[in-house]
Amino acid sequence: AQSVTQLDSHVSVSEGTPVLLRCNYSSSYSPSLFWYVQHPNKGLQLLLKYTSAATLVKGINGFEAEFKKSETSFHLTKPSAHMSDAAEYFCVVSPGFSGGYNKLIFGAGTRLAVHP
Amino acid sequence: KAGVTQTPRYLIKTRGQQVTLSCSPISGHRSVSWYQQTPGQGLQFLFEYFSETQRNKGNFPGRFSGRQFSNSRSEMNVSTLELGDSALYLCASSIQGAGNTGELFFGEGSRLTVL
Repeated sequence: AQSVTQLDSHVSVSEGTPVLLRCNYSSSYSPSLFWYVQHPNKGLQLLLKYTSAATLVKGINGFEAEFKKSETSFHLTKPSAHMSDAAEYFCVVSPGFSGGYNKLIFGAGTRLAVHP
Repeated sequence: KAGVTQTPRYLIKTRGQQVTLSCSPISGHRSVSWYQQTPGQGLQFLFEYFSETQRNKGNFPGRFSGRQFSNSRSEMNVSTLELGDSALYLCASSIQGAGNTGELFFGEGSRLTVL
C-alpha cells in the first residue's frame, strides 16, 4: 500500500529565507508523487509532480522538489519565501494503474507561515 | 478555460437531512473525483466517476453516493446527515488517456455544516 508522511505539521519562515517542507513516501513500486497547495478557503492547486522522469522537478512559483528513492523522500523547497506562499501544502501519492490513478492519498499537510 | 465549478459553496443542514452537491468539470475532462476534507481526518477520497460509471470508491458508508451525467457533470449526495459529515467537499476533474498520472484539477469546494 502507498502512503505519505509529512514530517512537519507547521513550518514558520521569514520572508526571503529558504523554505523546506519534508515528505517521506511508502510505495511498493515507482510512485507518482505530487505537491498541492491550498490557500485559505480555496481549493487545491497543483504545484508540481514527479512521474519517473527527472528526479528534480520544478513547479510553479519557484518551488521544486527532489525525488530520492534511496531515502524515500520527496521534499519541497523554495530558495526565497514570499508572503503569498503562506498556505497549507500537501504531499500526495497516486496509487497508479492498479489502485486508481485518481484515488490520491494525501499527507496530513504542512501549514507554512511566512513572517515579514 | 473555466475551472472546476462547485455549487453551492456553503450550506447548512440539520442532522437527518440529506444534501446534494454539484460539480461541473473542466471542459473536456471526463473523470470527476470527490474528496472530503475535515480537520481530524484530512483529505479522504470518496469516489471517482468516469463516463457515467463509478470507477473507484473510498471507505465511506453507503449514505454517501454520487453520479455522473452524460455531459460529465457530477453530483454527490449524502443522506441522513450526521454531525461528523461537516466538512469541505472537494471535486476534482482530470483528463483521461495514455500517460494519465493522477494530476487533478480541484474546485474551491462546498463547505457543509451539519447542526
